[in-house]
Amino acid sequence: DGGITQSPKYLFRKEGQNVTLSCEQNLNHDAMYWYRQDPGQGLRLIYYSQIVNDFQKGDIAEGYSVSREKKESFPLTVTSAQKNPTAFYLCASSTQGFYEQYFGPGTRLTVT
Amino acid sequence: GNSVTQMEGPVTLSEEAFLTINCTYTATGYPSLFWYVQYPGEGLQLLLKATKADDKGSNKGFEATYRKETTSFHLEKGSVQVSDSAVYFCALSGPRGSTLGRLYFGRGTQLTVWP
Repeated sequence: DGGITQSPKYLFRKEGQNVTLSCEQNLNHDAMYWYRQDPGQGLRLIYYSQIVNDFQKGDIAEGYSVSREKKESFPLTVTSAQKNPTAFYLCASSTQGFYEQYFGPGTRLTVT
Repeated sequence: GNSVTQMEGPVTLSEEAFLTINCTYTATGYPSLFWYVQYPGEGLQLLLKATKADDKGSNKGFEATYRKETTSFHLEKGSVQVSDSAVYFCALSGPRGSTLGRLYFGRGTQLTVWP
């Protein structure tokens, strides 16, 4: 079955620690995205990548970093510089030139 | 710029009631429009889409028509079920021809259906 996997589903960290969220897709999609979702709000774009070894900042990139070394993988690191990291993080992918995105199941990060 | 405004929830309905969730948009160019659904604790699933004016997207009894004259894409269902309880997001794509397929989302509308 093709799809997007995110792991782990729940993640707990202490304040001041960096943490990396995994996103893998086997849909052969070129573009991948990271969103953040907070209660009662829509999705906010953190980073996106249209091709391997290239990525761009979205609307709320501060305190986050990404890499895109393989087409299938787009990990997100939440650094200690992110002031309010507790949130639900969603990864998505799409084909180039087509705009519908397919989402993973999400990772809920709690930082205390 | 691009933005989406959808009606605030929560929306609470009895089973078999008629559903409308309003969505209006502001966009440059000719966007595609989408409705996504999110069940508790899960990611988003594409519910339906429309790529040009007057197109009607439909899926699982839900429908939405791309109205360029009113810049709207309202979601409707004739008879809701308890299993339709979820959060619904309206979204639009970037300008057609753009190499970036980013989406702009509304804030989401929580729907609860009671038996």
